[in-house]
Order: sequence, then C-alpha cells, then structure tokens
Amino acid sequence: LAKTTQPISMDSYEGQEVNITCSHNNIATNDYITWYQQFPSQGPRFIIQGYKTKVTNEVASLFIPADRKSSTLSLPRVSLSDTAVYYCLVGVGSGGYQKVTFGTGTKLQVIP
Amino acid sequence: NAGVTQTPKFQVLKTGQSMTLQCAQDMNHEYMSWYRQDPGMGLRLIHYSVGAGITDQGEVPNGYNVSRSTTEDFPLRLLSAAPSQTSVYFCASSTGSSGYTFGSGTRLTVV
Repeated sequence: LAKTTQPISMDSYEGQEVNITCSHNNIATNDYITWYQQFPSQGPRFIIQGYKTKVTNEVASLFIPADRKSSTLSLPRVSLSDTAVYYCLVGVGSGGYQKVTFGTGTKLQVIP
Repeated sequence: NAGVTQTPKFQVLKTGQSMTLQCAQDMNHEYMSWYRQDPGMGLRLIHYSVGAGITDQGEVPNGYNVSRSTTEDFPLRLLSAAPSQTSVYFCASSTGSSGYTFGSGTRLTVV
C-alpha cells in the first residue's frame, strides 16, 4: 500500500484559497489519488480523484505533478463550513478493489 | 437512492456480548468495506468484500467476522465484544473506479 504523508493541521481565514499537499513517494503506476472530507460524527465524503496533471470539479482542484509523488488539494475561497478533516488516499480507483486505510488526515480550521 | 445505510446508529454492549452491525447499499456496488475510527484517529480497514461470496481481511480483523451473501448487504459481526472495540464503525461501498460512498456510522460502546 502506498503510504501518504500530510500536515496534521492547517488554519486559514475565510475567503482564502487553501492548498493541502500530500506526499506519496511510493505510488504505483496504476494508483489513483483520492481526497475525502470528514465532518465530526459523519462518514468521509468523496471530494475529488485524479491520476495526473489537474482535475477540477465544483468544489476543489487537484494538482498532480508529472512524477506523481505528491498531490495538492486546492479549496478556493474557503468558508467556515469547510472546517473538517481532509484525507489523501492512494490506490482507490482504476478498477479492481484496492485495500486502503485512511491516515490521520489534515485538520483544517477556517477562521472568521 | 438511499446510498449506504447502517444500523443501528448507537449501541452499548457488555463485555462478552455479541452483535451484528448491519450495512446495506442500493447502488449495486461491487466492493464493500468496514472501517473503524477511534477518537482523533483515521479510519482503519477491518474487512472488505470484492463481490458476493468473497471477503478478505483488512488491517485490524481480529474479533470481527463478515459475510457477503448478496451484493447489497455486508454485515459485521462482533464475536465477543471487548472494551477495545469501542469505536465508530463505518461501512463503505464503491465500484472500484470511483471513490467510496460511506454510511453515517455506528457508534459502539463496550462496557
């Protein structure tokens, strides 16, 4: 399983762009990169998934450099409701089941 | 679509008791998993299934059993509850080519 490393916590003011970087040095050729958001007392919620370059959806962007050893989740203009824990996972997707375990994630605190 | 439904939402057990946590999904997802989350921690994989009739162990399988007789259902059985199994349990399903859909969790306390 590809191991991921993320910052434990981050603070940001409302309205700012937040970038959370995840390191995954031993990512395999077939691995996808997936980010989840978790609010207290809720299950994680899928945010975005990508394989290379850039992926954008209505809530976030995911930047993946050519070597794929890291990825950056970008949240534009965060609000207080974006306060949550964000998890980076490697291995989900590409078809076929892959065992993944969530790390401790990055706790994002948005400040008024 | 209800997504992934977990029951019960809360449960208190005495040490040594057994129980089954229920998980059902209506999305025809092939893959299903059980995770536990301890306070301040990430989610750890207990057991998973890649299809009806096929299950395998995850990272922390001891003390738990699973079965997958249908595509929709993936129950998790605690054989003899221990205080160390106090946790929040999440069930998730996926197609294998997209992210997981998680249930709302079962908060279990073993006294």
